[in-house]
Amino acid sequence: EVQLVQSGAEVKKPGATVKISCKFSGYTFTDSYIHWVQQAPGKGLVWMGVVDPEDGKTIYAESFQGRVTITADTSTDIAYMDLSSLRSEDRAVYYCAHSSSPGYYFYYMDVWGKGTTVTVSS
Amino acid sequence: EIVLTQSPGTLSLSPGERATLSCRASQSVSSTYLAWYQQKPGQAPRLLIYGASSRATGVPDRFSGSGSGTDFTLTISRLEPEDFAVYYCQQYGSSLTFGGGTKVEIK
Repeated sequence: EVQLVQSGAEVKKPGATVKISCKFSGYTFTDSYIHWVQQAPGKGLVWMGVVDPEDGKTIYAESFQGRVTITADTSTDIAYMDLSSLRSEDRAVYYCAHSSSPGYYFYYMDVWGKGTTVTVSS
Repeated sequence: EIVLTQSPGTLSLSPGERATLSCRASQSVSSTYLAWYQQKPGQAPRLLIYGASSRATGVPDRFSGSGSGTDFTLTISRLEPEDFAVYYCQQYGSSLTFGGGTKVEIK
């Protein structure tokens, strides 16, 4: 059974960078894709991007292009999401989520982490 | 980008009633690559339906999905107390986008 365990809540100042981790277990990391999804308070889900841990290839949503970096460490089975130039609108819960369909970066997400809350405040 | 519009925004129903949720796409979703998720307050989303009509593992059969092209529906045949939540559709046929959600609340 796939499990995703995310790092704890973060408080950052405007302009800073936040790095969130997502520890994967229960399946083959390199046969999976890890997505990141943003949810602002009281709002809906926004897809940010995806990484293929097998080769490190990433695809980012246009709205986050240039500010988000998603990586995967196959030695530890941990995926990371960096979001830079933080602003107040980035205050949200960030989820990592798993999909597994070889060759399909865009797929449904069958397992989700519990989420990491990021607060941006001066 | 395919935009998904969910309606209604809020559905007020009583336990035992039937819920019908709509998800309309701005252009055709290829190969019925449409999923539905349930989210309860303070929890992560949970996959309910994929491929427009296939139930995910462990999802009760009172949940069903249908549709193709630009119009999709999630039906909950008889609402149980634990079904009151927010529901999101997601398309994955062309990049990946979510709808704005439908809240199913107790009447």
